[in-house]
Amino acid sequence: AQSVSQHNHHVILSEAASLELGCNYSYGGTVNLFWYVQYPGQHLQLLLKYFSGDPLVKGIKGFEAEFIKSKFSFNLRKPSVQWSDTAEYFCAVNFGSYIPTFGRGTSLIVHP
Amino acid sequence: SQTIHQWPATLVQPVGSPLSLECTVEGTSNPNLYWYRQAAGRGLQLLFYSVGIGQISSEVPQNLSASRPQDRQFILSSKKLLLSDSGFYLCAWSAAQGGANEKLFFGSGTQLSVL
Repeated sequence: AQSVSQHNHHVILSEAASLELGCNYSYGGTVNLFWYVQYPGQHLQLLLKYFSGDPLVKGIKGFEAEFIKSKFSFNLRKPSVQWSDTAEYFCAVNFGSYIPTFGRGTSLIVHP
Repeated sequence: SQTIHQWPATLVQPVGSPLSLECTVEGTSNPNLYWYRQAAGRGLQLLFYSVGIGQISSEVPQNLSASRPQDRQFILSSKKLLLSDSGFYLCAWSAAQGGANEKLFFGSGTQLSVL
């Protein structure tokens, strides 16, 4: 079955540290990839997405993600996190359809 | 602009009681509609999705059902709640014409506690 794995369930960082959240999926076909973020008390919202072209995509608030097809990965990165990045992050994959499958999510806490 | 409304925000219900959660979308036509459940440490689980009025697809067999009586209204129901139905329920929509690269827009969610 197609699945999405987020390996880091809880991440705690200090401000200015670098961030990388892993996302892997199990499917050899065409995929569309998304990262969503849920800030405390806010709606789940799109951070960035990839569906074709440059495998390095840039999203809001300085986030970026790189699609590595050979590794079935779409890791999220940010060079220097801020306290305001504290949130829950979800990777999602469309496996050839318009219905995304979500990973378990990663809870990020950034200490000031 | 498009907006999505979901209510109630919180709900406490006894075991065996019925459930009705409502979601409406404004500012768009013929959206794809979704119900997800978010359980702690388990991510977002797709429960139902709909591509049109009266068209409901269920992803997981369970105690819940969904209906779409109008184009922009999506309702999640249960005749008799179980303890295991507790969780955070999210409604979402996406534009139908965009295909697989369309993003989802989420509602604010309903925290359901079944006691």
